[in-house]
Amino acid sequence: DAKTTQPTSMDCAEGRAANLPCNHSTISGNEYVYWYRQIHSQGPQYIIHGLKNNETNEMASLIITEDRKSSTLILPHATLRDTAVYYCIVRVGGSQGNLIFGKGTKLSVKP
Amino acid sequence: DAGVIQSPRHEVTEMGQEVTLRCKPISGHNSLFWYRQTMMRGLELLIYFNNNVPIDDSGMPEDRFSAKMPNASFSTLKIQPSEPRDSAVYFCASSHQTGNVNGYTFGSGTRLTVV
Repeated sequence: DAKTTQPTSMDCAEGRAANLPCNHSTISGNEYVYWYRQIHSQGPQYIIHGLKNNETNEMASLIITEDRKSSTLILPHATLRDTAVYYCIVRVGGSQGNLIFGKGTKLSVKP
Repeated sequence: DAGVIQSPRHEVTEMGQEVTLRCKPISGHNSLFWYRQTMMRGLELLIYFNNNVPIDDSGMPEDRFSAKMPNASFSTLKIQPSEPRDSAVYFCASSHQTGNVNGYTFGSGTRLTVV
């Protein structure tokens, strides 16, 4: 599975949009981009995933560049409860493979 | 759905003792994963099962670690004998692998302290 690069940490003001970038320049055509987050002391939580097209659900939006070498997770109106470590993971879809977690981005939402 | 259930939530044991961690996956999920998380190494995949069969145990650190999945609704991770460096949070996750991509659901974890 391709490797990802994320900033170590980011701050965001409460109520503003949080934009979390992820680089995955070696991504293959059959690899999906997954986003998970881990709130302190809890298990990781699935947020969203995508292949080529932008995706949106009740939690977030995922914007994938046309060349698929990078993506951005957008939390449209960040709250204090969104403070967490956010992991961007690239994984081959439909396989019996597994999710390999990197170090992620520590997002701090401030009042 | 109660989600992935892990027990115990916390375990404190003495070095050399046997430790057994338990996991009940979400009903209908046919893949189960054991992860370990430490400050130094982050989240590491230890082993995963598909349809109760171990598929990849290359992440299991040593022979002291073993995992079983006797049926679709139960799995154990055993450490015997335990050592202080095994102290970590152990997470279990399950997924329904249908050939399409699906997310994993994680349990709340077991915090293990070996003294």
